[in-house]
Amino acid sequence: SFVLTQPPSVSVAPGKTARISCGGDNIGSKSVHWYQQKPGQAPVLVIHDDSDRPSGIPERFSGSNSGNTATLTISRVAAGDEADYYCQVWDTNSDHQVFGTGTKVTVL
Amino acid sequence: VQLVESGGGVVQPGRSLRVSCAASGFTFSNYAMHWVRQAPGKGLEWVAVISYDGNQNYYADSVKGRFTISRDNSKNTLSLQMDSLRAEDTAVYYCAKDYDVRGTYYFDYWGQGALVTVSS
Repeated sequence: SFVLTQPPSVSVAPGKTARISCGGDNIGSKSVHWYQQKPGQAPVLVIHDDSDRPSGIPERFSGSNSGNTATLTISRVAAGDEADYYCQVWDTNSDHQVFGTGTKVTVL
Repeated sequence: VQLVESGGGVVQPGRSLRVSCAASGFTFSNYAMHWVRQAPGKGLEWVAVISYDGNQNYYADSVKGRFTISRDNSKNTLSLQMDSLRAEDTAVYYCAKDYDVRGTYYFDYWGQGALVTVSS
């Protein structure tokens, strides 16, 4: 089945930019969605369809998708952005939803 | 939109358990619904999806043949019947709404989760 690979962790200083990659075979041909999950809480959608932000999500969150890599970018990182982040796609070959392995973002 | 799971608990290996999700704040019968689980300290794992009308469903390979997803649109309720439970099924089970009718899109709302522990 389709595999999405993310780096286990990303560390970033406050006010800087965090970039989280999501690798998959020709992922650029799929719609990629991103979720933020804080400890003890349910996931929250932060980006859908590669780069669209749901209502209420700050403009600091943006996304891109091309070739074999999708990227979630968090600009002007704040302490409240510390969380786990997951990418997700629908795999048409297996009729399965697929999540990435997850990335823990630590704000230094 | 509100999704509230119930029915979690401790169950012995090989036994069955049913978790449910009560939906409100949207037209339940217009959207596909999913179950997603998360084992302690692990990542998210998609479990199953059911289409808006209940006529199509798909399962993760890890639960196919053991779990059954169903919905009652008259009661705005989603359910997951879990049979032949294993220790590796221990997880928080989230109910999640799809943006679409078929369940091939993204999860725009999530419940708070129900903890299922499989242990003797």
